[in-house]
Amino acid sequence: NAGVTQTPKFQVLKTGQSMTLQCAQDMNHNSMYWYRQDPGMGLRLIYYSASEGTTDKGEVPNGYNVSRLNKREFSLRLESAAPSQTSVYFCASSEPYRAHYGYTFGSGTRLTVV
Amino acid sequence: GNSVTQMEGPVTLSEEAFLTINCTYTATGYPSLFWYVQYPGEGLQLLLKATKADDKGSNKGFEATYRKETTSFHLEKGSVQVSDSAVYFCALRDMRFGAGTRLTVKP
Repeated sequence: NAGVTQTPKFQVLKTGQSMTLQCAQDMNHNSMYWYRQDPGMGLRLIYYSASEGTTDKGEVPNGYNVSRLNKREFSLRLESAAPSQTSVYFCASSEPYRAHYGYTFGSGTRLTVV
Repeated sequence: GNSVTQMEGPVTLSEEAFLTINCTYTATGYPSLFWYVQYPGEGLQLLLKATKADDKGSNKGFEATYRKETTSFHLEKGSVQVSDSAVYFCALRDMRFGAGTRLTVKP
């Protein structure tokens, strides 16, 4: 099925460890996004990539880095995990030139930092 | 800047009750507006959308009308079911989401 695939689905890290969250989409979308979801906070944009080769900071970029590897893949890296980064992370994609299509989301990665 | 303000939850209703979840926005121009739904343990799914003023989006019995005079996009359903229990998010086209409203429907 076409869509956005995130890996892993669950992860537990110790404080200070690093990891990369992977995201891939097969809809040929130009734009991709990383959000975090915390209780009572809704979704907050971490980074986005408007098109292949570009990345920009969102609302809460500190502690994260991203790589737009190609048009399909957009990864999120935590270099030194902190308990405040315990959250559910969602990747999404969209086609910006078709404004009424909305976003397609992955099923999320639940990350716990202890 | 652009922003979305969404009715705080949680909302608990009995089956077949009428549902309204309020959403208002602040934006320059007339951006497309969306409602997303998140079922337990899943990602967000697009529920409905409206791309211009006075448009009505509808899907699965849910409706929302894009009202520029009140800058609102309230979500409504005439008769909710237990299967509608989820978190609902209002969103602007520029990637801004409301905080989400958790709906629980009891049999």
